[in-house]
Amino acid sequence: AQTVTQSQPEMSVQEAETVTLSCTYDTSENNYYLFWYKQPPSRQMILVIRQEAYKQQNATENRFSVNFQKAAKSFSLKISDSQLGDTAMYFCAFRAGNQFYFGTGTSLTVIP
Amino acid sequence: EPEVTQTPSHQVTQMGQEVILRCVPISNHLYFYWYRQILGQKVEFLVSFYNNEISEKSEIFDDQFSVERPDGSNFTLKIRSTKLEDSAMYFCASSQQGAVSYGYTFGSGTRLTVV
Repeated sequence: AQTVTQSQPEMSVQEAETVTLSCTYDTSENNYYLFWYKQPPSRQMILVIRQEAYKQQNATENRFSVNFQKAAKSFSLKISDSQLGDTAMYFCAFRAGNQFYFGTGTSLTVIP
Repeated sequence: EPEVTQTPSHQVTQMGQEVILRCVPISNHLYFYWYRQILGQKVEFLVSFYNNEISEKSEIFDDQFSVERPDGSNFTLKIRSTKLEDSAMYFCASSQQGAVSYGYTFGSGTRLTVV
């Protein structure tokens, strides 16, 4: 069974500071991808970053980067220089085959 | 940037009624999906659709649900005989490829409230 666990239901960070959101997953698949999606108050799901499981190098997209530890099945998201617009729900997701598996989400609030 | 469009943004329906949620995927995408999110819970997979047929569905997607691509552009989710527990945010998504490496483009969702 594929599972995704986000153990931090809520987090907050001061504007311009750095925050890390945790995610662990469990799978028996060898070929899979990991994603972080952002869901702002508008409720739209927006892709933030993706990581190929076969790549050791951590993915980076501007202020967003991941710390991918394959052996530990850990996939955390680091947001640097946090901005007010980063306030949102963040979902870690895992894709194997034809569907995504989502975690329960972490609600991030950026404090001015 | 291309978007997945969902209508309506909010639908209120009486228990027992049928609803149709509509989605217009990105034009060159070939794979289509419905997900739902009950308030405060995680996003759950409902169904995937490719080449005019369902390619995969979850346990949630029972006989109450059906999907259709009626005209080559719209992708609809029909929920028959709605129940209170069907109240949720329903997300449509599309993907250009079915490969594992591709993320989806999600629509903004339809909030369904069953009263």
